[in-house]
Amino acid sequence: GAVVSQHPSWVICKSGTSVKIECRSLDFQATTMFWYRQFPKQSLMLMATSNEGSKATYEQGVEKDKFLINHASLTLSTLTVTSAHPEDSSFYICSARGTGTSNNEQFFGPGTRLTVL
Amino acid sequence: GENVEQHPSTLSVQEGDSAVIKCTYSDSASNYFPWYKQELGKRPQLIIDIRSNVGEKKDQRIAVTLNKTAKHFSLHITETQPEDSAVYFCAAQGQAGTALIFGKGTTLSVSS
Repeated sequence: GAVVSQHPSWVICKSGTSVKIECRSLDFQATTMFWYRQFPKQSLMLMATSNEGSKATYEQGVEKDKFLINHASLTLSTLTVTSAHPEDSSFYICSARGTGTSNNEQFFGPGTRLTVL
Repeated sequence: GENVEQHPSTLSVQEGDSAVIKCTYSDSASNYFPWYKQELGKRPQLIIDIRSNVGEKKDQRIAVTLNKTAKHFSLHITETQPEDSAVYFCAAQGQAGTALIFGKGTTLSVSS
């Protein structure tokens, strides 16, 4: 149980285009999802917290107009990187916690590798 | 907000030796401390966790200790094996439901 999927697993796009990444909880309802970004050989940096049905809370330094997060249902959150540029190339990972999980444990998706040319 | 420091950044050991990775956190309200193992290009995998009401937890070759007063926690791996080679991250979480804040990671290399 407690499986989180992400789609796509990798994407290559041209500079200036937008890319949407989906994060799904497959066997539980995720009241809260988190989006992290991981540059090569670095740690996971929290970008934003999204709660189903409300606006995402962004970490300091993360542009909310560039990284659009939508958590419209209890099983799906999406991250859209708008007008992507090469510096946005990174590994994007979501995690989710749900009503049926322990209070603390979070479950990670497999990640999405974004390369912007 | 929470800040997590992790040391060392790299650690090389011989097969069979023990490995210790240490982390400190800043927010005294944090009460959950998981450790993750991440292989290249993959998601972090939870290997052990500890909550603030416990001082030590062990699972076979892996153990974690927590000192709440000093705000530090450590990962101990005994009898290391080459397959233990990976990047290890510690993390801390405040109130239930808030995000995990990660340390910078430790690259562990176990040579046979």
